[in-house]
Amino acid sequence: DTEVTQTPKHLVMGMTNKKSLKCEQHMGHRAMYWYKQKAKKPPELMFVYSYEKLSINESVPSRFSPECPNSSLLNLHLHALQPEDSALYLCASSQDRGVDTEAFFGQGTRLTVV
Amino acid sequence: AQKVTQAQTEISVVEKEDVTLDCVYETRDTTYYLFWYKQPPSGELVFLIRRNSFDEQNEISGRYSWNFQKSTSSFNFTITASQVVDSAVYFCALSERAGNNRKLIWGLGTSLAVNP
Repeated sequence: DTEVTQTPKHLVMGMTNKKSLKCEQHMGHRAMYWYKQKAKKPPELMFVYSYEKLSINESVPSRFSPECPNSSLLNLHLHALQPEDSALYLCASSQDRGVDTEAFFGQGTRLTVV
Repeated sequence: AQKVTQAQTEISVVEKEDVTLDCVYETRDTTYYLFWYKQPPSGELVFLIRRNSFDEQNEISGRYSWNFQKSTSSFNFTITASQVVDSAVYFCALSERAGNNRKLIWGLGTSLAVNP
């Protein structure tokens, strides 16, 4: 089983809303990632968790708040987003954070901020 | 300076044609890893291959093949007898050291359209 499952697949939210994106993997991977991808662009790394601890924050605005409740789950809490935050949000996992091993990606959440 | 260059923004071919997607990279690391990912319209990034800097052996997997040449810093990807299902955006990526971590540096992607 090489699945990374993300929910929801689509999300429309207002600028004053609070919502959460969820990601789950059962491959025993110890590194999990959040990426943001705008149309026709490559993914941009946002956060890396390694052994359930935040190891990289790519200077992401505080309106994005990651959480790793356990080794299988990764959440991204959203609050007071802007329309320019509309994008595809991808979760990924790998055996460890070294990125020497391949990362497996979920199908993403298409987020629209109105 | 861009570290992973995919010079072809868009490629359009007719089914059964062979097509090569180019990737040129730049790094000062002696140990690094190169990847190819496929992103179909559904959005998921699908891992295709990983290659480390010490392994220049070319690889073939079904209709897919990869040509890694350190001398020219290239890691090109060829699809033989292309099919409509190959239509996707293909990303080449380089893993290099960033402090105590390693990061993926992505190319801008090549959008491949395979027409019936």
